[in-house]
This record gives sequence, structure tokens and C-alpha cells, in this order.
Amino acid sequence: QQQVKQSPQSLIVQKGGISIINCAYENTAFDYFPWYQQFPGKGPALLIAIRPDVSEKKEGRFTISFNKSAKQFSLHIMDSQPGDSATYFCAATGGYQKVTFGTGTKLQVIP
Amino acid sequence: NAGVTQTPKFQVLKTGQSMTLQCAQDMNHNSMYWYRQDPGMGLRLIYYSASEGTTDKGEVPNGYNVSRLNKREFSLRLESAAPSQTSVYFCASSPRRNSGGAETQYFGPGTRLLVL
Repeated sequence: QQQVKQSPQSLIVQKGGISIINCAYENTAFDYFPWYQQFPGKGPALLIAIRPDVSEKKEGRFTISFNKSAKQFSLHIMDSQPGDSATYFCAATGGYQKVTFGTGTKLQVIP
Repeated sequence: NAGVTQTPKFQVLKTGQSMTLQCAQDMNHNSMYWYRQDPGMGLRLIYYSASEGTTDKGEVPNGYNVSRLNKREFSLRLESAAPSQTSVYFCASSPRRNSGGAETQYFGPGTRLLVL
């Protein structure tokens, strides 16, 4: 049972463009939504996270948009750079729930 | 401060062989986790330990056992390896308390396992 659905599976963006990755969740008990970034050969690392009491959180070029009623959240990478090329995982957790990860999006930013 | 360390980095096994993957963290975290990562499947939880002395099954525990040796160390054992266990294994830790609460997970660099 996949509780967090992530799309697209892969994404190619031109340098300077906007990368958008979407996730949808089912469990209304979730109240913490982190995004992890993983470079090849490395473990995932926390990039940015949001709680559902806000609709948007921005850190530099990275923004999470959150729609509680639709049970959806998305990651926007503005002015995408080749160094942003990585796999991105959304995740959800809360209360006594363990972290549930999306299936990942492989982002390639081309010059 | 090394964070989360894993050994070995890479291992090749023959079907039926056994091995133990080691994980240690130096952040004084309560909770530790073992995940496997397969293409198109994301990160799937194998086992976790909410605190020293406790372990629980995750989403895909069959074929694995774990030991929370102390607060720092959490090992994953494959008793009789199968080709289906070919994967990349990640250990993670978090400061999460027993009573729940969502906190950041810190991942190790992974162990790449190939079972022939």
C-alpha cells in the first residue's frame, strides 16, 4: 500500500528553468512533509520540510507548496542548476506514523 | 562527528551465504532504521528501532533480522541471502522519541549488495 504517490519518475529541465515535483498522500494523520535530496552514490539528506499549518515554505531556490484539502504537496526548484541534478524523495509522517517515502524523481538539469 | 557510518560499502554474496551489515551513529539519536532502495521503489523500511532495546518490523522484513546492540549501533543480518535481496541498503537515525513525533532522518552512505 503506497501512501505517498510521487510524480514524475524522471524530469529533464534546462538550466535556469523551474523544476516541479508533485506528491499526494492519503493518511490524514500525516503532519510533517520533508523532501530529501540524494546524489549518486550518497545517502538521502534533508532538503526542506513543511508542516500543514502553512501553505508555502521557501528556502533559497527551493519552495514547498502545500494543499491540505487536496492532500497534495510539491517541490519547486527555481533557476535550476546542473548541481541540482539528483534524485528527490518526498516523504510524510506524523504522530506515531513511521516515515513513508515517495518513489523518487530523478532530476537532470542540462546546460 | 561522523554522523551515520555503514560498513561495508560494497559486498558480493552467493545465494545462501549470510552476512551482517553494520551501522553506527554518533549523534546520540534514539531511533535507528534500515531501508532498502530499489529502482522505481523508493525507500522501503525493513526494520526500525525506536529506542535502545526495542526493534520492530517495517514494510519488508522477510529474510532479515536486526540487532540494536546499544544506542549507537544497529546491525542488519541476512541469514541466507537471495538474489531478490540485491539492493542498496541505507541505515538512518533520528532523534525521535518513543512517543512519536516527526523528526528528520539522517542517512548513512549506503551498502551496495549484490547476491549472485
